[in-house]
Amino acid sequence: NAGVTQTPKFRVLKTGQSMTLLCAQDMNHEYMYWYRQDPGMGLRLIHYSVGEGTTAKGEVPDGYNVSRLKKQNFLLGLESAAPSQTSVYFCASSTGLAGGNQDTQYFGPGTRLTVL
Amino acid sequence: DAKTTQPTSMDCAEGRAANLPCNHSTISGNEYVYWYRQIHSQGPQYIIHGLKNNETNEMASLIITEDRKSSTLILPHATLRDTAVYYCIVRVEGVNPRLTFGEGTQLTVNP
Repeated sequence: NAGVTQTPKFRVLKTGQSMTLLCAQDMNHEYMYWYRQDPGMGLRLIHYSVGEGTTAKGEVPDGYNVSRLKKQNFLLGLESAAPSQTSVYFCASSTGLAGGNQDTQYFGPGTRLTVL
Repeated sequence: DAKTTQPTSMDCAEGRAANLPCNHSTISGNEYVYWYRQIHSQGPQYIIHGLKNNETNEMASLIITEDRKSSTLILPHATLRDTAVYYCIVRVEGVNPRLTFGEGTQLTVNP
């Protein structure tokens, strides 16, 4: 049981390049989330999904797209990378079931992205 | 989400219990208390949550006062690997998908 995994761990992009970050979970969770964390700051929610085939915007969705074609995977795409998108990206998942578990989010190890 | 107040930092000796307090005096009846931690450069880690009763799992115990205005996270035998920032979060379940971490408590476990 690997939990939540993220690929890649590190990436350096040039301005204007595109890339996709992959998040995978093996806990059969319904809900998945993408956050970004900038140095000394808290987490900001980019997009989230409450089930296969669904996505919703979070707090800072501009410049990002997501897809949830399979329940276990949640992809985050950067269409045209900008230096302002330099950050650490965390994926998380939760069961989506009531009883306190909707907000019990399990996080991946993060992807450190630098955009030059 | 109800406001929480935590000490900025705490120290604990290795092998001793670490007791981390959290005040949430404006908590409402349907708000859960969650604890997460973030070890430097790693993803946040869920620890435990509760509504009214005390809870215990393999990582920690959560003690919630009878009036629910405060709680304590207890790490029974702290190790060096428990050094992290600990966050107390109070929220109604399912209303806002975004987890909001406040300032938290920097726990340093010393050898």
